[in-house]
Amino acid sequence: DVKVTQSSRYLVKRTGEKVFLECVQDMDHENMFWYRQDPGLGLRLIYFSYDVKMKEKGDIPEGYSVSREKKERFSLILESASTNQTSMYLCASPPTRGASSGNTIYFGEGSWLTVV
Amino acid sequence: AQSVTQLDSQVPVFEEAPVELRCNYSSSVSVYLFWYVQYPNQGLQLLLKYLSGSTLVKGINGFEAEFNKSQTSFHLRKPSVHISDTAEYFCAVITQGGSEKLVFGKGTKLTVNP
Repeated sequence: DVKVTQSSRYLVKRTGEKVFLECVQDMDHENMFWYRQDPGLGLRLIYFSYDVKMKEKGDIPEGYSVSREKKERFSLILESASTNQTSMYLCASPPTRGASSGNTIYFGEGSWLTVV
Repeated sequence: AQSVTQLDSQVPVFEEAPVELRCNYSSSVSVYLFWYVQYPNQGLQLLLKYLSGSTLVKGINGFEAEFNKSQTSFHLRKPSVHISDTAEYFCAVITQGGSEKLVFGKGTKLTVNP
């Protein structure tokens, strides 16, 4: 089975701190995604990456950046955390042929971030 | 651009009752449709997906969904729910052969009461 691992499940950070959320997949997939999940809003796409060093903005990229130096790892960065970034963050990755070919997207367990 | 509307944000039912979670989508091109489930404090996992062929799709845990192209719907059903089905359910759509962006609905929280 495909495994998508988010190393931090629960984090508490202070306003203004730089925050790194890490995601690793073990199946050599090219595509990786970061979503934010909030009650009543569903999942919203922050950033996605098609390959190493390639990234594209999603629907809500403001206040976030990403890094993909190695194929298996996709990091979400909050340059200066704010309280409105308190949320659940989900990493996801479909097989190489991609979700648009009907492939399943695999999700990590999620990272709960609280900014105080 | 596609969009997904999940018509009910919360659905409470009693154990062993049938349930239907409704999903409508909007798209001008051919799409693939998915239902994902999220149990408390976990990530999302695939319940079922419609790619082509039979419009009735069977998934895990006794769930099924029916694709209706004319009504642009993809409703999820289960004839008899269990307490363990309590979770949040997300409908999602993606353009066939297009962008990799999967568009999600806002979710339906199913609560199964004893």
